[in-house]
Amino acid sequence: EIVLTQSPVTLSLSPGERATLACRASQSVTGYLAWYQQKAGQAPRLLIYGASSRGTGIPDRFSGSGSGTDFTLTISRLEPEDFAVYYCQHYGSSPMYTFGQGTKLEIK
Amino acid sequence: QVQLRESGPGLVKPSETLSLTCTVSGDSMSTHYWNWIRQPAGKGLEWIGRMYLTGSTDYNPSLKSRVTMSVDTSKNQFSLKLTSVTAADTALYYCASCRGGRCDFFDSWGQGTLVTVSS
Repeated sequence: EIVLTQSPVTLSLSPGERATLACRASQSVTGYLAWYQQKAGQAPRLLIYGASSRGTGIPDRFSGSGSGTDFTLTISRLEPEDFAVYYCQHYGSSPMYTFGQGTKLEIK
Repeated sequence: QVQLRESGPGLVKPSETLSLTCTVSGDSMSTHYWNWIRQPAGKGLEWIGRMYLTGSTDYNPSLKSRVTMSVDTSKNQFSLKLTSVTAADTALYYCASCRGGRCDFFDSWGQGTLVTVSS
């Protein structure tokens, strides 16, 4: 089973700054890598799928990149509503879906 | 976009069966896979399983022996049963959908329903 490790666990930044969140897989994966945003008391919301494609209605300040074992979610310029927990997720054979443990993006 | 709403008992006794239902609206049930995902308080997300209208199911190996999913298309609902529950099954349970042609990510989620396992 593939394990996804997200870093950092907590990221403290200010509005207007650039955020870079990492997701590392325990072995090389296909492009089936997605990112979600979860705000307190809400369900996760799809941001990125296929490692780099934005979900419906997702602002272009969110971008995804990476391949193999290393993937990145970048928020180019943080808005107040972007402070939340972010999860990466992989779809593998069997089928099986695995999530990273999350990165909390907090206001500095 | 599909809308999802979970329902079911919020409290289940240890060793009993957890039963939840997800009601679907806004799109055809035939074009999606239907999933259950859970999240213990303050923790991460765990995929439980998925099903298609054909009756085909796939379950997380760690839960497979205790999970059953079913669908009732006449009511636009699908369901989860988890047997022999323990305190470790206490979590927020979400239903979520992914598209039949590309089911590698979850594009719609319910708001979640909290299930507590306690006597």
